[in-house]
Amino acid sequence: LAKTTQPISMDSYEGQEVNITCSHNNIATNDYITWYQQFPSQGPRFIIQGYKTKVTNEVASLFIPADRKSSTLSLPRVSLSDTAVYYCLVGADTGTASKLTFGTGTRLQVTL
Amino acid sequence: SQTIHQWPATLVQPVGSPLSLECTVEGTSNPNLYWYRQAAGRGLQLLFYSVGIGQISSEVPQNLSASRPQDRQFILSSKKLLLSDSGFYLCAWSSQEGLNEKLFFGSGTQLSVL
Repeated sequence: LAKTTQPISMDSYEGQEVNITCSHNNIATNDYITWYQQFPSQGPRFIIQGYKTKVTNEVASLFIPADRKSSTLSLPRVSLSDTAVYYCLVGADTGTASKLTFGTGTRLQVTL
Repeated sequence: SQTIHQWPATLVQPVGSPLSLECTVEGTSNPNLYWYRQAAGRGLQLLFYSVGIGQISSEVPQNLSASRPQDRQFILSSKKLLLSDSGFYLCAWSSQEGLNEKLFFGSGTQLSVL
């Protein structure tokens, strides 16, 4: 499985756009990139998933360059409730459980 | 729709006592099932995963074990708890259909071993 590297923490003010970048230099051809959000004392929650270029949903956008060695989660106009830990995962469905392993994630702190 | 149930929400156990955490999934069949542990302020550590009844893969050697007696039931056990077993335990499931696996987590069990 491709190893991922993210910043340990980020700070932002409410209303700003936040971009969290994840490096995955040894991503494999079949690997997808998935981001999760975790609030304290809760399980992680799926945010967005992509393979290449750009993916957008009602919560976030995911930008993936052509070489796919990194990806950027973009949160538009964050609010205090976006304060959480964000995890980047890289893996593929091989027909069996993918042994999806989480790194330490990026702790985002949003303030007024 | 699919739901995942995990209990209990909190548990305080003395060192040396046994442990049994249960997780069940509804609304899907033949899911991949996972147990993760999260120490305070740390990331998630994959403990066990299962692709079917009776099929368990262990990622970290330790005094914990897992079992899958039914398709949608996953149990985490220990015969004798250690202080280091304290943490936030999360059960998760993912679908084996399609090419892009997504994990869905339960609400977690906060275990304190004293």
